[in-house]
Amino acid sequence: GAVVSQHPSRVICKSGTSVKIECRSLDFQATTMFWYRQFPKKSLMLMATSNEGSKATYEQGVEKDKFLINHASLTLSTLTVTSAHPEDSSFYICSAPGHRNTEAFFGQGTRLTVV
Amino acid sequence: KQEVTQIPAALSVPEGENLVLNCSFTDSAIYNLQWFRQDPGKGLTSLLLIQSSQREQTSGRLNASLDKSSGRSTLYIAASQPGDSATYLCAVLPYGGSQGNLIFGKGTKLSVKP
Repeated sequence: GAVVSQHPSRVICKSGTSVKIECRSLDFQATTMFWYRQFPKKSLMLMATSNEGSKATYEQGVEKDKFLINHASLTLSTLTVTSAHPEDSSFYICSAPGHRNTEAFFGQGTRLTVV
Repeated sequence: KQEVTQIPAALSVPEGENLVLNCSFTDSAIYNLQWFRQDPGKGLTSLLLIQSSQREQTSGRLNASLDKSSGRSTLYIAASQPGDSATYLCAVLPYGGSQGNLIFGKGTKLSVKP
């Protein structure tokens, strides 16, 4: 099956700093990628949809200026958490749809801890 | 608004037991339903995907059923093993949505004791 690689798997940063998370489709092209967030004991929730060559679309309640998304190529999308605060500590995970658009392939996820 | 509920939230069984995980959803207008496995701090592994027109899917010791009209799905795990310990997530794709619109349940945390 298709492989999506997400990096880093775990990051600890200080309040006020920015963190970049990468999501790569390794053996297929993805014009669209999705970013989810999962708080402890909560469901995975879609944050934004990353579109290659155009602006990302954000879900209601997600600050686009805080969570910067760049999808510069057909195999790479990045999520940058700017001016991170402890409440941004969460599990972030990306996915890319398969060619049938009814399957999703997920990255390994990134555990972000802001101290 | 589509909501996905998984029961139980946690389950502990001895090795070798057969077990059933439950998933319910409020809106039957779905394209498909997927079961995922999530290991601690790790990503998601797709286990089974059931299209809305299908009743069940099987893979090895796993069998997933779908009753769209009643808004229910079950994941049956036969002869459980300690390696099956993980959180199992159920997600539905609402009809007309892309994969980004997956609606997830909170998961069932399974622990299989040796």
